[in-house]
Amino acid sequence: EVVMTQSPATLSVSPGDRATLSCRASQSVSNNLAWYQQKPGQAPRLLMYGASNRASGIPARFSGSGSGTEFTLTITSLQSEDFAIYYCQQYNDWPPIFNFGPGTRVDVK
Amino acid sequence: EVQLVQSGAEVKKPGESLKISCKGSGYSFTSHWIGWVRQMPGKGLEWMGIIYPGNSETRYSPSFQGQVTISVDKSISTAYLEWSSLKTSDSGMYFCARQGTKSLYGWLDPWGQGTLVSVSS
Repeated sequence: EVVMTQSPATLSVSPGDRATLSCRASQSVSNNLAWYQQKPGQAPRLLMYGASNRASGIPARFSGSGSGTEFTLTITSLQSEDFAIYYCQQYNDWPPIFNFGPGTRVDVK
Repeated sequence: EVQLVQSGAEVKKPGESLKISCKGSGYSFTSHWIGWVRQMPGKGLEWMGIIYPGNSETRYSPSFQGQVTISVDKSISTAYLEWSSLKTSDSGMYFCARQGTKSLYGWLDPWGQGTLVSVSS
């Protein structure tokens, strides 16, 4: 079973600044990694899939990179609506156990 | 528009049974796997399992195997998550979500709005 970790647990950022979130897999997941954003009281929303592909409607300030075991989500010029919790998820494992990471909370500095 | 609509909040007692639902619309329901995700109060997302509505093939996380049952009624485009005997530790928000591709291996998009399950004596 692939174990996902994320760092940092909390990231304090000023509006307009850049945020860099990390996600690590305990074994290679190729590029089969997704990122989700969750705001309080809402369902998660897909941001990125295939490690670096933006989902429909996601602004260009969001970008993803990495493959294998190390992945990064970058948010350039953070907007007020970007303060949320971000989760990574791998969908590569066999048998299929598509675990999420524990999340990174991005809050206002 | 692809949409998943879940059933409403439930308040139950320990030992009771429960079946919550997730109705898909706007796409070919039998062509995409549907997954279930738990979120306990104030905690992260936990992947529970996944079902293929075309043939009801189901896969469970070891953490949830034997604890819940995932099923589907493709005639009404609805997936289900069921408990035979609830525990207080089953309290939480439960989300369904469609796989973004027709493959077993895919991201989750879109998501249902969630069903809040509260279990208390």
